[in-house]
Amino acid sequence: GAVVSQHPSWVICKSGTSVKIECRSLDFQATTMFWYRQFPKQSLMLMATSNEGSKATYEQGVEKDKFLINHASLTLSTLTVTSAHPEDSSFYICSALGAYEQYFGPGTRLTVT
Amino acid sequence: AQSVTQLDSHVSVSEGTPVLLRCNYSSSYSPSLFWYVQHPNKGLQLLLKYTSAATLVKGINGFEAEFKKSETSFHLTKPSAHMSDAAEYFCVVSDQGNRDDKIIFGKGTRLHILP
Repeated sequence: GAVVSQHPSWVICKSGTSVKIECRSLDFQATTMFWYRQFPKQSLMLMATSNEGSKATYEQGVEKDKFLINHASLTLSTLTVTSAHPEDSSFYICSALGAYEQYFGPGTRLTVT
Repeated sequence: AQSVTQLDSHVSVSEGTPVLLRCNYSSSYSPSLFWYVQHPNKGLQLLLKYTSAATLVKGINGFEAEFKKSETSFHLTKPSAHMSDAAEYFCVVSDQGNRDDKIIFGKGTRLHILP
């Protein structure tokens, strides 16, 4: 079946540095991918919709200059957290829309120290 | 190991009749449980969540779900379906806060509303 991978699965970085998270659809093409973040025991919060070949659509309250999204190919979307701060520590998860279903990645745990 | 099973991939109901979307889960810890709705080409929208408080959880748009530990179920219900309820629904279990970050998605149930 279709698989969506995320890399890395967990990352620890220092405050002020940037971190890139990759979301790949492994055996299908996805023109649309979604990025979410989740705090412990909280719900997923949609951050942005990533469309291949065009600019991402960000949800209200999400800083586009801080959370850079690039969907350069039909199988890869990246989320870069720029100048990370401890409040950016969270669980980031992506999903990819296939032809008939949506597939979720396993998530990336980001800890900013 | 955690898992989520949505028992029906498709559910069809007539407008004005009750909705029941079934979800069973397994978890080693005390999980948080969520129901999300997704309209075509849109992101997930939270309907409701259970986080160890009241077992009957009320959400948006008239939806509610009951956490039944003995049955390991968290079924989503609505007394009267509306055409705008036609969408994909995901049951999600989250076991974060323990050693491993786990968020498990059900495969989704597509709800069709018949006029």
